[in-house]
Amino acid sequence: DAKTTQPNSMESNEEEPVHLPCNHSTISGTDYIHWYRQLPSQGPEYVIHGLTSNVNNRMASLAIAEDRKSSTLILHRATLRDAAVYYCILRDAAGTASKLTFGTGTRLQVTL
Amino acid sequence: NAGVMQNPRHLVRRRGQEARLRCSPMKGHSHVYWYRQLPEEGLKFMVYLQKENIIDESGMPKERFSAEFPKEGPSILRIQQVVRGDSAAYFCASSLDHGAPYEQYFGPGTRLTVT
Repeated sequence: DAKTTQPNSMESNEEEPVHLPCNHSTISGTDYIHWYRQLPSQGPEYVIHGLTSNVNNRMASLAIAEDRKSSTLILHRATLRDAAVYYCILRDAAGTASKLTFGTGTRLQVTL
Repeated sequence: NAGVMQNPRHLVRRRGQEARLRCSPMKGHSHVYWYRQLPEEGLKFMVYLQKENIIDESGMPKERFSAEFPKEGPSILRIQQVVRGDSAAYFCASSLDHGAPYEQYFGPGTRLTVT
């Protein structure tokens, strides 16, 4: 799987939007961009995924750069419950592997 | 629709004992994955199973670890003769189908402590 680069940590104030960046300059044309998060002492949680177009769901939005070499996970209004480690993961649709390969992610702190 | 269920949530075993971790996937999901998170480390893939078949076990330690997903019942991750280094959180995930377009849903994990 192609490599992703994320900042180690970010901080946000509650009720404000958060933009979590992910660089994936070696992405291939068949790589899907997935985001998961892990809240403290819990299992990972699926957030969103996309291929080329921007995506929205009830949890977040995913903005994908036109050249696909980077993407941004957008939490529209951060709450204390959004404090977690966020993982950006590439998954190759052309390959046979089904596993998720987690990196170190971005630890998001949300303060009042 | 219940999510992925794992039990027990916490398991304490003495060195040399066996540990059995259970995972019931989401309803309608026939693809199950096991991941391990060692203390202060990241999540690592262990094994991927479909009903009655092991598809990818590239992350499983070569000895003492085995996994199954029978036709009926939950998936089981079995660790024989546990050692202190097996202490970790073990997460199970399931998906509707395999491959990149499909998201995985995780259970709450089993925290194994080996004394």
